[in-house]
Amino acid sequence: GAGVSQSPSNKVTEKGKDVELRCDPISGHTALYWYRQRLGQGLEFLIYFQGNSAPDKSGLPSDRFSAERTGESVSTLTIQRTQQEDSAVYLCASSLSAGEADTQYFGPGTRLTVL
Amino acid sequence: AQSVTQPDIHITVSEGASLELRCNYSYGATPYLFWYVQSPGQGLQLLLKYFSGDTLVQGIKGFEAEFKRSQSSFNLRKPSVHWSDAAEYFCARGSNYKLTFGKGTLLTVNP
Repeated sequence: GAGVSQSPSNKVTEKGKDVELRCDPISGHTALYWYRQRLGQGLEFLIYFQGNSAPDKSGLPSDRFSAERTGESVSTLTIQRTQQEDSAVYLCASSLSAGEADTQYFGPGTRLTVL
Repeated sequence: AQSVTQPDIHITVSEGASLELRCNYSYGATPYLFWYVQSPGQGLQLLLKYFSGDTLVQGIKGFEAEFKRSQSSFNLRKPSVHWSDAAEYFCARGSNYKLTFGKGTLLTVNP
């Protein structure tokens, strides 16, 4: 597969449960990004990785949100004790490097519904 | 803080008509600007991007955009819309490592 892949495509969970969202970037892309898209809103930046380092976590909405990345490969976004306001589409993107001119390629997203 | 504004939430056009989607960005040096399209249930696909040079940028699917520094705008255009163009369109600005997005414009195409 040449593109960014994400799993699961849909996740329904109960309030208070933990969820893990996975992202597989394009091979060779050193930078990886997570965004959140709530209904009727644009995309909000959450966090990015350069390699397995996350220089900027300031977009994470609360300490219930965390992310990690293994080398220059898979990343997981974990949401603990989910709340209804966490319901959104979570999009992952990757790029060759983390520059403002680098094109970010997006995955299809994970739609999270918290009941 | 840098921002991107898409003034039109929803636009409806007839198939075959021309299209212009508006995008304005806040202050800054030469911006890196992007247009993405999102079809239902799909991720974002890059239509075109502007970094420098020629202010008229050609993209995929017959789209083009013009960068106008004096108006802080980067409007997306297409001369003749096809039914398959119905989707949501996002303008974005590159700032260091992240993209700042507008809230999107939903395009409906009538037969």
